[in-house]
Formats: sequence, C-alpha cells, structure tokens
Amino acid sequence: SQQGEEDPQALSIQEGENATMNCSYKTSINNLQWYRQNSGRGLVHLILIRSNEREKHSGRLRVTLDTSKKSSSLLITASRAADTASYFCATPRNQAGTALIFGKGTTLSVSS
Amino acid sequence: DTGVSQDPRHKITKRGQNVTFRCDPISEHNRLYWYRQTLGQGPEFLTYFQNEAQLEKSRLLSNRFSAERPKGSFSTLEIQRTEQGDSAMYLCASSLGGAKSQPQHFGDGTRLSIL
Repeated sequence: SQQGEEDPQALSIQEGENATMNCSYKTSINNLQWYRQNSGRGLVHLILIRSNEREKHSGRLRVTLDTSKKSSSLLITASRAADTASYFCATPRNQAGTALIFGKGTTLSVSS
Repeated sequence: DTGVSQDPRHKITKRGQNVTFRCDPISEHNRLYWYRQTLGQGPEFLTYFQNEAQLEKSRLLSNRFSAERPKGSFSTLEIQRTEQGDSAMYLCASSLGGAKSQPQHFGDGTRLSIL
C-alpha cells in the first residue's frame, strides 16, 4: 500500500530556478525521508526529518514537515542540470521504523 | 568508501528459470533490506534482515521468493520458477541499527528481465 504521494508527478524547470516537490502521507509517522534516484541507478538519501522537526536544510535542499497536515515539501534552490532525477519521499512502514514505504516520485528535469 | 554492491547488474532469463541475486551491504551496517521497483513506481519493500535474522517479510514475497543472510553480512535473493511479472529492478539497501530510523544506503540494483 502507498503511504506517501508526491506532487507534481513531473516538473520541468530551467537551470537557476527553484524546484518544489510535495509529499502527502496518511498515517502518523516519527520521521520522513527524501531520496533521489538518477536513471538506472539506486536511490541516494538526501534528508531525514523527524516528527519533532519542522524544517531542515542541507546545502541547496530545504525540507519542511507539517505533521498536522501530514505533508512535507522538498525545495531545491538554484537548480542545476545535475539535479535532473526522480525524487521520492519515504515513511516508515510500521512503528518499528525499519523498512520504508515510498511514493511514486516526482521526476525533475532541469534544462540548461 | 565502499557502498552497497549488487551482482549481477542485469539478468535476462526465460520464464520458469530460477535466478539468484547477491547483495553486499556496507560492512558496519547490521540492517539489510530488499525492495523491488517497476517502471514509474517507487521501490516496494520485500524483506528486512537484522544481522542474520529475517524480521519482516512483505506480502509481495510469495513462496517463490526466498532471501537469506547466512552470516549477517552478504545476502541473497532467489526467485524460483520466474514469471513475466517478476521483471523489475531489485534493490538492496543497508543501514545502521538503533532505536531511531536511519538513512538507508542503496545499491544500484539488479535489473531482471523475463523473456
């Protein structure tokens, strides 16, 4: 079953613009993670945000979490062609918090 | 820095054959996960090991699938009597243990194609 749903499904922007992706989930969570996947490759962990955190930054990435709305957003600032990839949010499969449930992802295309 | 490695990267086989994939996690990681990903979808959880113990299995893991992690290091995923619907990317991930969720580190997957 799907827990997280990303929006939009696809996003095309120019280099230098900001990209915002949203994720909604259904049940209470203790953390939410964002991953990136380049075509034909495995997933790369970007950020983990815990339920007691509202915002987290890592370089050009900013993640927010609103547990009251059961939603999260990933902002990539000053995008580059190398940011072209699929982005997934993931939430714990159960209370043990081990395995993850992924959404279908947002496909980001950054053109130069 | 040795990441998660998976072998083979690609596997093409005929329907009905058995296939086995191998995953070597990051050496200090005691947790190991298998996921399956089809085109346009996110990864779907299959099974999870902590050390050598298989602690969780998804309903997706039919009786044709079996996974092992005999010494708590590398893991194998075997699919018996493969079917067309088994065509997918099989991803392995590993993480540290602990009370709190940890980032998972993924290999580049094994792409299985069933003829």
